[in-house]
Amino acid sequence: AQTVTQSQPEMSVQEAETVTLSCTYDTSESDYYLFWYKQPPSRQMILVIRQEAYKQQNATENRFSVNFQKAAKSFSLKISDSQLGDAAMYFCACSGTYKYIFGTGTRLKVLA
Amino acid sequence: SQTIHQWPATLVQPVGSPLSLECTVEGTSNPNLYWYRQAAGRGLQLLFYSVGIGQISSEVPQNLSASRPQDRQFILSSKKLLLSDSGFYLCAWSQTDLRDGYTFGSGTRLTVV
Repeated sequence: AQTVTQSQPEMSVQEAETVTLSCTYDTSESDYYLFWYKQPPSRQMILVIRQEAYKQQNATENRFSVNFQKAAKSFSLKISDSQLGDAAMYFCACSGTYKYIFGTGTRLKVLA
Repeated sequence: SQTIHQWPATLVQPVGSPLSLECTVEGTSNPNLYWYRQAAGRGLQLLFYSVGIGQISSEVPQNLSASRPQDRQFILSSKKLLLSDSGFYLCAWSQTDLRDGYTFGSGTRLTVV
């Protein structure tokens, strides 16, 4: 069965600093997609960044980047120059059969 | 462009009453559709998904049911609500190949009293 593990229930970062959120996954698929989603206090789920497993190049979106290690089945999210608006719950997800498998989430606190 | 609508945003229902939450998608055809539930501060629990009209897969046995009467309409129902049905319900859609991930609705906060 496919699994996604986020081992950090909560993380804190100082404003303007960098933080890395960890995610590991397990899948038997040869081709799959990985995502990070952000859920702010409004609870709206927002797509942060996407990675296709067959692409070796790590995805980046402005201050957000990933470290994708396919052999290790690791997909961490790095947030640079953290802002107060980055405070949210972050979910990692891996595509499966007909659906995505989500991790349990990491709550990120940004300290002013 | 594609949009997803979910309503109502907030609902307070007495125990034993029926439930109907509706989700519609615009701007695409034959989407995969999903219902998730989320307890406060917790992760996402997949309740149902559908890959086509009339096709419903249930992930968790419970007091809820789902239907897809039209291609872009997904309904979550209950005949008699329980206190444990309280939570935040999210509808989502994806392309058939999942390549672009999910797009989520804005959610429904259900409180059963």
